[in-house]
Amino acid sequence: NAGVMQNPRHLVRRRGQEARLRCSPMKGHSHVYWYRQLPEEGLKFMVYLQKENIIDESGMPKERFSAEFPKEGPSILRIQQVVRGDSAAYFCASSPGVDNGYTFGSGTRLTVV
Amino acid sequence: KNQVEQSPQSLIILEGKNCTLQCNYTVSPFSNLRWYKQDTGRGPVSLTIMTFSENTKSNGRYTATLDADTKQSSLHITASQLSDSASYICVVVRSGGSYIPTFGRGTSLIVHP
Repeated sequence: NAGVMQNPRHLVRRRGQEARLRCSPMKGHSHVYWYRQLPEEGLKFMVYLQKENIIDESGMPKERFSAEFPKEGPSILRIQQVVRGDSAAYFCASSPGVDNGYTFGSGTRLTVV
Repeated sequence: KNQVEQSPQSLIILEGKNCTLQCNYTVSPFSNLRWYKQDTGRGPVSLTIMTFSENTKSNGRYTATLDADTKQSSLHITASQLSDSASYICVVVRSGGSYIPTFGRGTSLIVHP
């Protein structure tokens, strides 16, 4: 049973481009959470999704950021028109249910140049 | 405001020594408190999870304590090893709603030979 898989591990984008980060949860996990970690900072909650539904997006910027978790396939965090301030590590976690323990992926490190 | 504060920010100890990391929180209402270990460049890995009624829990050389009255937790590491060098993150989950966790900034532990 593979853990939470995130790809790519590293992503470099020029300012103004789009970044797509993918997260495949553990088998049997239907809850996905996205977090952002800036250097020397703690993890900040962005969005919580269940299959085909956004449950809580209170931590996600209203502009340029979107997330989805389709019925089939991985969860996608999409950042449009990236800026330097978007450079961070983005972690995905999955769980089998609400407040049921999370398993984190290894993260995607986004660098905007 | 729901917050999680950790101290010290960083800690250097010699291999074989014990250490204690602190976590104070204001998150309310309380569901559970978790300690995670995050190695550099990796996602966080769960060490312990404690609910309101639990005031101590061990996982090998790691022992976590919880005082829900004073809203404090500690993580004690016994007989430290070089592989314990990592960031240790305290996470508090609020009950109700979507159970989104609040992360502390972490304590960076370095174990020297």
